[in-house]
Amino acid sequence: GESVGLHLPTLSVQEGDNSIINCAYSNSASDYFIWYKQESGKGPQFIIDIRSNMDKRQGQRVTVLLNKTVKHLSLQIAATQPGDSAVYFCAENRDTNAGKSTFGDGTTLTVKP
Amino acid sequence: EPEVTQTPSHQVTQMGQEVILRCVPISNHLYFYWYRQILGQKVEFLVSFYNNEISEKSEIFDDQFSVERPDGSNFTLKIRSTKLEDSAMYFCASSGDSTGTQYFGPGTRLTVL
Repeated sequence: GESVGLHLPTLSVQEGDNSIINCAYSNSASDYFIWYKQESGKGPQFIIDIRSNMDKRQGQRVTVLLNKTVKHLSLQIAATQPGDSAVYFCAENRDTNAGKSTFGDGTTLTVKP
Repeated sequence: EPEVTQTPSHQVTQMGQEVILRCVPISNHLYFYWYRQILGQKVEFLVSFYNNEISEKSEIFDDQFSVERPDGSNFTLKIRSTKLEDSAMYFCASSGDSTGTQYFGPGTRLTVL
């Protein structure tokens, strides 16, 4: 069956440092991948996505890297701020599955001032 | 900025009772979703809905669950006879197309006693 997982359940960084959150996936048929941020008591919030035909995509302070050879996805957050503290989920999707996103387990990012 | 809204924020019910969770998706979106998240666990897909019918559903979405778009603005999830294991956060999401960004609501916390 398909699964999307994360390497580490928690990550603690100093304010101003860069953060890297990793994700492994098993479904090679995935067409795109999404990173979500979930703050306490809120729903998942879209951060950035990447199509399977790309290996890198940049947003504001965030970069997603995709390595299809090893089925690995990472989210890099530059100059991490206290407001970045949250649980981060990767999710995978296929163009033909009507928007059904399969989420990973989540990594809790804590930013220390 | 448009957002998905959900009511109630917290629903407490007795086992065996029916509950209806309500969502108002973003107004020009055509694709609607329900997910759930058991406390401390990952987000799980339940169902996607388009053009007044279910597009995709997971194994969790059994005969006890149903969805409806009763009018042009609401999208509901009904659980006919709740079980203890139905206790979770239920998130509604909507998107403009099947591969587009999904915007999540704040969730309804369902507690089954």
